[in-house]
Amino acid sequence: DIQMTQSPSVVSASVGDRVTITCRPSHDIANWLAWFQQKPGTAPKLLIYATSSLQGGVPPRFSGSGSGTEFTLTISSLQAEDFATYYCQQTNSFPWTFGQGTKVEVK
Amino acid sequence: QVRLQESGPRLMKPSETLSLSCIVSGGSVSSGSYYWTWFRQPPGKALEVIGNMYQTGTTRYNPSLRSRVTISRDTSKNQFYLQVTSVTTADTAVYYCARARDGNDYHRVEYWGQGALVTVSA
Repeated sequence: DIQMTQSPSVVSASVGDRVTITCRPSHDIANWLAWFQQKPGTAPKLLIYATSSLQGGVPPRFSGSGSGTEFTLTISSLQAEDFATYYCQQTNSFPWTFGQGTKVEVK
Repeated sequence: QVRLQESGPRLMKPSETLSLSCIVSGGSVSSGSYYWTWFRQPPGKALEVIGNMYQTGTTRYNPSLRSRVTISRDTSKNQFYLQVTSVTTADTAVYYCARARDGNDYHRVEYWGQGALVTVSA
């Protein structure tokens, strides 16, 4: 299985801050990388797929970059509704695997 | 709009068989280029894929669970199912059904059910 290492595990930030989360797969996954947002008690929501493609309806303050074994999710200006946990996921090989999550909390 | 809804028992005892259904509306489990997928998330932990079924009926399972898991479907009811045998407390989790696109679209998981918390306790 491909192991996905996310960092940091917690980000303390304020509205308006720029937030960056990193994901490092244990093997090269080309650009088969997705990012999800999850709020307590709800299902994950797809934000970005294929490293940098924005899912429909997702605000453009979310962006993704990277390739191979290092990827980033950036929130350019954090909004109140963005406080949540974020997960990266690789879909290059089965079983698809997720990072351990990054919680974005209020500073 | 595709909608998925999990249903099934939420409290189980060790050694029992977990059985969940996923009721699908707005899309067919037997057509289109999609993987009908089960995930789970233990309390406070990360997500894990359990397995999936392609529209052709081909299944794939996470090797960590393969010996205990079966995914099936009923095309007449437009539902797909998950069975996990010999459950233990480690199988306590929120179980999600979801739809993923095929490899031409990066297997992106666009649609999710609301999730079903299944608790295994003696």
